[in-house]
Amino acid sequence: SDDLTQPPSVSVSPGQTARITCSGDTLPKKYVYWYQQKSGQAPVPVIYEDNKRPSGIPERFSGSTSGTMATLTISGAQVDDEADYYCYSIDSNDNPRFGGGTKLTVL
Amino acid sequence: EVQLVESGGSLVQPGGSLRLSCAASGFTFTSYWMHWVRRSPGKGLVWVSRINTDATFTSYADSVKGRFAISRDNARNTLYLQMDSLRAADTAVYYCAISGYGDSNLEYWGQGTLVTVSS
Repeated sequence: SDDLTQPPSVSVSPGQTARITCSGDTLPKKYVYWYQQKSGQAPVPVIYEDNKRPSGIPERFSGSTSGTMATLTISGAQVDDEADYYCYSIDSNDNPRFGGGTKLTVL
Repeated sequence: EVQLVESGGSLVQPGGSLRLSCAASGFTFTSYWMHWVRRSPGKGLVWVSRINTDATFTSYADSVKGRFAISRDNARNTLYLQMDSLRAADTAVYYCAISGYGDSNLEYWGQGTLVTVSS
């Protein structure tokens, strides 16, 4: 399957570690990217090429991959991190594809 | 400063057509691939289409193939999306975004333009 599967929601308390997963058959061969979208705003990249952090993104955001699974980790999540998070990669037809998205709640 | 400004969204009837534009500034337009991404109400982001730097390559999501056409005018630093045979399911905020390569990071995004398909 070309689908990228994410949990619909993740909930943590402030200061805890949030982990958002993304699974897909093509992930061992293709980079994964992660985007944060807050309500009413445009998406913002938070991780690119599996584990690189764009400038301006806090160090508490990190990415990792293992086999068909990619994970976005937010260490010491803050209330301001509440948002929808999407993984993004290339499918077997060489077309880009987003995961279904994960709503992160921090409260 | 990179700026991407979408326009052209509106209310259109099913079966109708619409052309979206994305005006780009603050970077070398001809060096970047351009993409359209949409988000329908209550749903997640969906990649729609991409075009390479000199408009010799385009690709589309299956859901819009044959109905949408992406193009760019490198002289005007503008990206377009011609949308025909519109359906209710095409109702969404449409974003343009840029990447260095066709399969790389969507580095910058516009704020989006709303397309509503309804009778």
